[in-house]
Amino acid sequence: EAAVTQSPRNKVAVTGGKVTLSCNQTNNHNNMYWYRQDTGHGLRLIHYSYGAGSTEKGDIPDGYKASRPSQENFSLILELATPSQTSVYFCASGDPGGEGFSNERLFFGHGTKLSVL
Amino acid sequence: AQKVTQTQTSISVMEKTTVTMDCVYETQDSSYFLFWYKQTASGEIVFLIRQDSYKKENATVGHYSLNFQKPKSSIGLIITATQIEDSAVYFCAMRESSNTDKVVFGTGTRLQVSP
Repeated sequence: EAAVTQSPRNKVAVTGGKVTLSCNQTNNHNNMYWYRQDTGHGLRLIHYSYGAGSTEKGDIPDGYKASRPSQENFSLILELATPSQTSVYFCASGDPGGEGFSNERLFFGHGTKLSVL
Repeated sequence: AQKVTQTQTSISVMEKTTVTMDCVYETQDSSYFLFWYKQTASGEIVFLIRQDSYKKENATVGHYSLNFQKPKSSIGLIITATQIEDSAVYFCAMRESSNTDKVVFGTGTRLQVSP
């Protein structure tokens, strides 16, 4: 079964501080995604990547940066954290349209709960 | 731009009944892919079922099926013979062929199944 691991699971940060959320996948998927989940908003796409070295802006990229240094790792970076970024963040990996197309799906990590005080 | 809308915030049903959850989408593409995911109480998000826009037959997996109405840009999820463990949040999602890598989700519908 595909595996996506997020770290840390919980994080408390101070306003104005730098926060890095990490994600590792062992699925050899080309694509990786960062979503945030907030009540009333569902899962909103922040950044995504289609391969090592690539990052693309999602629907709500402001205040976030992303880094994909390798096939396995995808990080979300909050350079100056704000209380409005308090949320649960989910990383996912998948291979849309790739090998095993008929089995296409995203595999999610267990989420990171971030509180910015 | 692609968009997915789920207007039902929450639904409550009795066990062993059938429930339908609504989802409408917006896209300019002629080819696209629609998905449903389930988030359990523990927070885990898992894939349930998928519908390709070019397929006329509604997808079915176990006791999950889809009601795909292309003219209405609608993809409803039907759960038959609901079980207590179906209690969860259900998300609708979409990927367009022209933007292969981007997957967007709706706001989710919380389902509560009571005995």
